Amino acid sequence: DTGVSQDPRHKITKRGQNVTFRCDPISEHNRLYWYRQTLGQGPEFLTYFQNEAQLEKSRLLSDRFSAERPKGSFSTLEIQRTEQGDSAMYLCASSTIAGGELFFGEGSRLTVL
Amino acid sequence: GEDVEQSLFLSVREGDSSVINCTYTDSSSTYLYWYKQEPGAGLQLLTYIFSNMDMKQDQRLTVLLNKKDKHLSLRIADTQTGDSAIYFCAELNTGFQKLVFGTGTRLLVSP
Repeated sequence: DTGVSQDPRHKITKRGQNVTFRCDPISEHNRLYWYRQTLGQGPEFLTYFQNEAQLEKSRLLSDRFSAERPKGSFSTLEIQRTEQGDSAMYLCASSTIAGGELFFGEGSRLTVL
Repeated sequence: GEDVEQSLFLSVREGDSSVINCTYTDSSSTYLYWYKQEPGAGLQLLTYIFSNMDMKQDQRLTVLLNKKDKHLSLRIADTQTGDSAIYFCAELNTGFQKLVFGTGTRLLVSP
């Protein structure tokens, strides 16, 4: 296991389409986080899971966004009816419950035309 | 409230030391982190410090934590051109269990 992996790395879509991103965390990590980063800004928290339970969602996560982690391993982030304002880098991170080391993947860059 | 602030830009010459500063507001933070981000890439964890520590050293990196002033700094010794990147400070709050990031400091290292 070499770290957190995200797929796809880049996605270009037309406004109104649905997109789904996948994150595979480090295998022994219980916690999984999704963040969004726009150009020139720091990452903003979207949601996090402890095992399969989604424990917190940001106000940034509108009804068009849904995240799942069905078996407590990989997670998906779906954006329905994409808007141009959804264009951003979507970052996934994982850690153990105890905290400490928190590793990020390389991100999935979304461009909505 | 949660707020993390960093200066936007730092320019140094190769071989000098760089010091990147960060202030945070949440006194219940448990861990404080430094991440490095190169263009188009994800966040690379550089180092982190537990809130009951004052200092942590890891090769060329030294982290200093002043809990009273809620101030965190990252010192990079013998800065190299490959250190040019954006550096993010982040705090992990126990209650909310999420990382809150600053806006990042762009470090430019000139030969």
